[in-house]
Amino acid sequence: EAQVTQNPRYLITVTGKKLTVTCSQNMNHEYMSWYRQDPGLGLRQIYYSMNVEVTDKGDVPEGYKVSRKEKRNFPLILESPSPNQTSLYFCASKGTSWQETQYFGPGTRLLVL
Amino acid sequence: AQKITQTQPGMFVQEKEAVTLDCTYDTSDPSYGLFWYKQPSSGEMIFLIYQGSYDQQNATEGRYSLNFQKARKSANLVISASQLGDSAMYFCASNTPLVFGKGTRLSVIA
Repeated sequence: EAQVTQNPRYLITVTGKKLTVTCSQNMNHEYMSWYRQDPGLGLRQIYYSMNVEVTDKGDVPEGYKVSRKEKRNFPLILESPSPNQTSLYFCASKGTSWQETQYFGPGTRLLVL
Repeated sequence: AQKITQTQPGMFVQEKEAVTLDCTYDTSDPSYGLFWYKQPSSGEMIFLIYQGSYDQQNATEGRYSLNFQKARKSANLVISASQLGDSAMYFCASNTPLVFGKGTRLSVIA
């Protein structure tokens, strides 16, 4: 089954404790991205990657890091989480054609105390 | 830069009736695509329908259709014969670049 998986699905942490949210896709997609969703703001792109070892900032990259060492994986790293990073996070992937839709992971709900 | 505007924060519709969710976009790029996603209360993002800027006909997928008016830069989603399970957040998005609107919360009333 074609899918994007994220782990963990739910996470409660404290300010300053480094965390990683994993994202993996099995569709051999070149493009992967991370979004955060906040009430009234819709989805905002954090980082994206066009291919292995190629990453770029989205609209709200501050406080986040990513890496793309393998085509299927695109982890999101919060080196020192803060309460304003409490949000719902989505990973997504798609092929290279601009006409293709994105496939979304199930989301990760993060609470930073 | 591309901008997606959804002007309706919330909508109500009676079960079995049709409803239109508005979306306008702003781009000077001749090649672009527009998507609609549904997000139920469980949180997942579900792809509904796609319209490409070069497509000659309005997209349709079952009960979903897209009223694409290029001159007005609008891509409204029409849901026919609404069902209780259609209650959700709906997001309009573009792909050049990837930008989402703020969403419309649809509530279907029995």
